Amino acid sequence: AQKVTQAQTEISVVEKEDVTLDCVYETRDTTYYLFWYKQPPSGELVFLIRRNSFDEQNEISGRYSWNFQKSTSSFNFTITASQVVDSAVYFCALSEMEYGNKLVFGAGTILRVKS
Amino acid sequence: DTEVTQTPKHLVMGMTNKKSLKCEQHMGHRAMYWYKQKAKKPPELMFVYSYEKLSINESVPSRFSPECPNSSLLNLHLHALQPEDSALYLCASSSQPAGGGTEAFFGQGTRLTVV
Repeated sequence: AQKVTQAQTEISVVEKEDVTLDCVYETRDTTYYLFWYKQPPSGELVFLIRRNSFDEQNEISGRYSWNFQKSTSSFNFTITASQVVDSAVYFCALSEMEYGNKLVFGAGTILRVKS
Repeated sequence: DTEVTQTPKHLVMGMTNKKSLKCEQHMGHRAMYWYKQKAKKPPELMFVYSYEKLSINESVPSRFSPECPNSSLLNLHLHALQPEDSALYLCASSSQPAGGGTEAFFGQGTRLTVV
């Protein structure tokens, strides 16, 4: 069964601090995909990144970086030099090849960045 | 700006009303989805349409009736809803219908209140 755990319910930081959002997943499939989405107060889910299970390369995009480690079933997300506009709910999600494009989301982490 | 457009943005309906939620995308995507998101919870999949055919129904009550008139449009017909159905209803689309692990693009959602 698919499962995604985001143990951090809420994180508060001061602007310019670095922050890491944790994501741990469970799957029996060897082919799967991991995602991060951002949900600002407007409600729309904004796609941030996708990783497949065969690509463990870490990725950096501007102030965002992702650390994928199959050995610990983790896909953590780091925001460097956080900004107030980063305040949102962040969801980690998993889809398995067997279940097509069905996304299973973690509970989400609320990030509050204070100025 | 999102390329998935949902209308209306807000809807208040009585338990005896019939209403419809609409979703439109012009990205040429062949998979479209309805998700339901309760307050402070992650989105949960309701339905998936692949090539305009219903491919996944996550045991959703029959008071929710999806329809995909063409590859760009997705409707969700609502009838005899209950107050517990109040939620944010999110539409999404992706380029590949199944198995591809492609990212889904979400609309801003319809915030539904059942009174």
